[in-house]
Parts: sequence; structure tokens; C-alpha cells
Amino acid sequence: EVQLVESGGGLVQPGGSLRLSCAASGVTFSTFYMSWVRQAPGKGLEWVANIKQDGSDKNYVDSVKGRFTISRDDAKNLLSLHMNSLRPEDTAVYYCTSGMAEVWEIGYWGQGTLVTVSS
Amino acid sequence: DIVMTQSPDSLTVSLGERATMNCKSSQSVFHTPNSRNYLAWYQQKPGQPPKLLIYWASTRGSGVPDRFSGSGSGTDFTLTISSLQAEDVAVYYCQQYSNMPPWTFGQGTRVEIK
Repeated sequence: EVQLVESGGGLVQPGGSLRLSCAASGVTFSTFYMSWVRQAPGKGLEWVANIKQDGSDKNYVDSVKGRFTISRDDAKNLLSLHMNSLRPEDTAVYYCTSGMAEVWEIGYWGQGTLVTVSS
Repeated sequence: DIVMTQSPDSLTVSLGERATMNCKSSQSVFHTPNSRNYLAWYQQKPGQPPKLLIYWASTRGSGVPDRFSGSGSGTDFTLTISSLQAEDVAVYYCQQYSNMPPWTFGQGTRVEIK
């Protein structure tokens, strides 16, 4: 059974930093794209960033470029999102997603971790 | 960036009736080399993460009931629920995952029971 478990969320002040982690099990982690998707309270889904299988390609939504960094450790089946210069508008549930055998880009989702940026 | 626009924003349908929702992309998400549309549909119920329903525009995900079907190509796509059940009340999102990130989502269509 595939499991993606996010951690690291919490309350942080504007301008602060946070590191989110996603531990994967039951999936051949290194084979697939990994992504972060967020959802602000009561709002829709917003794709945040992705990283290619070998880590050679990383992409970000414009609103987080220069502030967020996605990384992966295939030996540990771990995905990370380093978030700096956090803003109130970054408040959201952050989901980790992975590809799957049938489609390497998308498929599995974690339960999410809540990030609240507030003073 | 590719903009995904869903319609309608909300849909009210009687139990057992058909529910149809649309998703339009600002650029084609069809890839000629593999003849695939890089378009997915998700279902999200309150307090839960999204669940993958459809990928490659028309392939049902594992365990997804066959009352859910996806169609379309290029820039215009449709998700149909052939006979609405009570458990289908949710918000439905489309997403493009082409080789042109960001992998944008539509704004969602809320489905409710009449």
C-alpha cells in the first residue's frame, strides 16, 4: 500500500521559514515525479512545485519562486520543501503527491500538513 | 502558463441522473509523440485529500466506479457521472500535467444533490 506522510507544518510568523517533509512507502520513489500542492482554507487546489525523478529538473509556481526549494532524497524515500520568507498568503494545507506506474507525473496524495503564517 | 477553466462552478443533480462538467485549457495538452492528453480529474470530499479519478483524459484510476468517465482532447474535456450517487457529492478538479509546468488546476466544480 502506498503511503505519503507529510510533516513539518505549524504556525510561523511572516518572514519566517519552515521545512516540510514527505516520507514515502510502498512506492518505487525514485521512478516518479514528486510534487507539492497546496490548498488555502476554503479555496481550490494550487500546484506549488515538482521535481523530476533524478532531481535534474525542478519547477515552481511564480508566487513561490526564489522563496521555496524542493528537494528529494531517493535513498531515504524523502521529499522536502524548504520555505523561506513566508507570507500570510502561503497559509494552506500542503499536500505531497507522487506519480505512479501508469502515469509518472501524478497519482498518489498524502493527507496534508497545515502551514499557518500569522503574527 | 496554461490556464484551466472549469464550468459550471456548481452543479445540482438528482440522484440517479447524469452530471456533466467541463474543463478547458488555454493551450493544448495533447502530446503528439505518445498521442496522450495530459489531463486528470480529481474528486475531493470535505476534510480529505483529492482522489485521482481519471488520467490521460479518459483512463479511470484504480477502484474508480465505471459511472465516472472522462472524454475530450486538445483543449476541451468533460467529466461525466452517468448516474449520480449520494457519495459523489464533492468538488471535482481538472489538472494538466504536461511538459509545460506549472501543472495547473481548474477552480473546481461543486456537485450537490437536488
